[in-house]
Amino acid sequence: DAGVTQSPTHLIKTRGQQVTLRCSPKSGHDTVSWYQQALGQGPQFIFQYYEEEERQRGNFPDRFSGHQFPNYSSELNVNALLLGDSALYLCASSWQGAVEKLFFGSGTQLSVL
Amino acid sequence: GENVEQHPSTLSVQEGDSAVIKCTYSDSASNYFPWYKQELGKGPQLIIDIRSNVGEKKDQRIAVTLNKTAKHFSLHITETQPEDSAVYFCAASINFGNEKLTFGTGTRLTIIP
Repeated sequence: DAGVTQSPTHLIKTRGQQVTLRCSPKSGHDTVSWYQQALGQGPQFIFQYYEEEERQRGNFPDRFSGHQFPNYSSELNVNALLLGDSALYLCASSWQGAVEKLFFGSGTQLSVL
Repeated sequence: GENVEQHPSTLSVQEGDSAVIKCTYSDSASNYFPWYKQELGKGPQLIIDIRSNVGEKKDQRIAVTLNKTAKHFSLHITETQPEDSAVYFCAASINFGNEKLTFGTGTRLTIIP
């Protein structure tokens, strides 16, 4: 049973560019959450998707947007990249029967130069 | 919003000894408290969790205690082993359809052989 898979594993971009990160949830899961983890810090909640809609959002600007597809996979898009966007981006999936039990992927390490 | 503080930031213990990590939270409405273990290059992995209607929970060598009055909870690892070396995160959430987790800043645990 595959867990949460994320792609790519590493990415290098320059300031002002746009980036798309992808996530496939664990089999049987229908909810996807995205977190940003800066170096040496705990993950910070970006937003959560369920039934293809953004259900909840953390304190992140509109430059951060997302999408969930009918197969429950998800994308995170970041526009107009800033140096401060450099971080590990984690996708976590869960299912409505136990939404609080998050299963995390290994993340995408984004470096903005 | 919720704020979670975690101590210590680093902890070294001799193999076989016990390790204790402590967290405090600010929002008295929080009712779900998971602990995650993050190994190098991997996403956080849920190791144990507790709800506010329970004061203590144990799973083999790992236990978590919760003091709702003082708004703090702790992770206890007994008979530590080298494979316990990792970064540990506490988190809190209000689990009434709100699955956003607020994480602590992490504790780097090193087990000395």
